[in-house]
Amino acid sequence: DQQVKQNSPSLSVQEGRISILNCDYTNSMFDYFLWYKKYPAEGPTFLISISSIKDKNEDGRFTVFLNKSAKHLSLHIVPSQPGDSAVYFCAAIRGATNKLIFGTGTLLAVQP
Amino acid sequence: DTGVSQDPRHKITKRGQNVTFRCDPISEHNRLYWYRQTLGQGPEFLTYFQNEAQLEKSRLLSDRFSAERPKGSFSTLEIQRTEQGDSAMYLCASSPGTAIGAFFGQGTRLTVV
Repeated sequence: DQQVKQNSPSLSVQEGRISILNCDYTNSMFDYFLWYKKYPAEGPTFLISISSIKDKNEDGRFTVFLNKSAKHLSLHIVPSQPGDSAVYFCAAIRGATNKLIFGTGTLLAVQP
Repeated sequence: DTGVSQDPRHKITKRGQNVTFRCDPISEHNRLYWYRQTLGQGPEFLTYFQNEAQLEKSRLLSDRFSAERPKGSFSTLEIQRTEQGDSAMYLCASSPGTAIGAFFGQGTRLTVV
């Protein structure tokens, strides 16, 4: 049962343009949503999070939008840079254990 | 280096052998997690410690898997009688009790031949 889904395995954008990564979820009881970035042969690195009671959170070039009625969130990266090329994972948390439930990831390639 | 440290980074073992991985969390992080990531998938939760107590185990953690955190600091994950299906990246993460999310180590890549 895949509770967090990333339906786009890959995305390619030009440097300087906007990257939009999408994530859908099925469990309306999730408390927080997070985005992690992962380079090959490294562990995931936290990027940004959003509480389920918010609809937007912004941190520099990164903005996460949450649409609870659609059970959908997205990560916007503006402007995209070649160093942003990595796999991006959407994750969700429910309850006090802080256990992360991950999607399958989207490989972002930013072309110079 | 004050991040989460995992050892070894890579392990190749023959089917049927036992392997043990170590994780040193960020100092004073009382929560420690193990995840497993296979090709094309996101990390999947295996188990969770709060201090030395193992509070949750995934159904993915078969009887051949055991994890410990004896003094509430470092943790070990042992796999007995390894199978080819155990080949994966094993990730350790830690967090302080009040945080959302966790900090991940670089992982241990296990290959069972």
